[in-house]
Amino acid sequence: AQSVTQPDIHITVSEGASLELRCNYSYGATPYLFWYVQSPGQGLQLLLKYFSGDTLVQGIKGFEAEFKRSQSSFNLRKPSVHWSDAAEYFCADASNAGGTSYGKLTFGQGTILTVHP
Amino acid sequence: GAGVSQSPSNKVTEKGKDVELRCDPISGHTALYWYRQSLGQGLEFLIYFQGNSAPDKSGLPSDRFSAERTGGSVSTLTIQRTQQEDSAVYLCASSDTIPSYEQYFGPGTRLTVT
Repeated sequence: AQSVTQPDIHITVSEGASLELRCNYSYGATPYLFWYVQSPGQGLQLLLKYFSGDTLVQGIKGFEAEFKRSQSSFNLRKPSVHWSDAAEYFCADASNAGGTSYGKLTFGQGTILTVHP
Repeated sequence: GAGVSQSPSNKVTEKGKDVELRCDPISGHTALYWYRQSLGQGLEFLIYFQGNSAPDKSGLPSDRFSAERTGGSVSTLTIQRTQQEDSAVYLCASSDTIPSYEQYFGPGTRLTVT
């Protein structure tokens, strides 16, 4: 079964600094990868997704992510973090080992982002 | 338009009681998912509906958990004889594509079993 790893449980950055959140996936075939953000007490909001094609994908709120097959990674980046970006971020994979993929998501453990003024 | 809604937003119940959690997906969305978010287990898939059918129930943790969907719309997740380990946030998501690769999530129901 596929798994998704987010090595960093908690990251703290200063406002205006750049950000990179790490994500590694285990499944060998072409993955369907996502980044979601969850603010306290809120549901999950989709930031961006990768299915195929250009390995650098742009998302909402100024976020981007790069798919690197050789490293089995799909890291999320933002050039300049805003205080409102403080939230928990989840990487997810919807690929399937066989049969029909229904799009069910396998999530990483999440990375909590704290932004210092 | 209206997003995915869930009710109640919070539910406190005593161990051994049954609970029902409701999800109203976005109108016209044929796919519906239930996930559970807990401190120990993170975010886990529970069940997937396409229309009123559930082709994938592989994430339901025990036979105390069941779900149904009626009219291709509202879904109810039922937990019988609740246990403390059932305490979690239960999230519902819906999608209008097949396969469903862009899911819209509701705010969740926080279940606390005392």
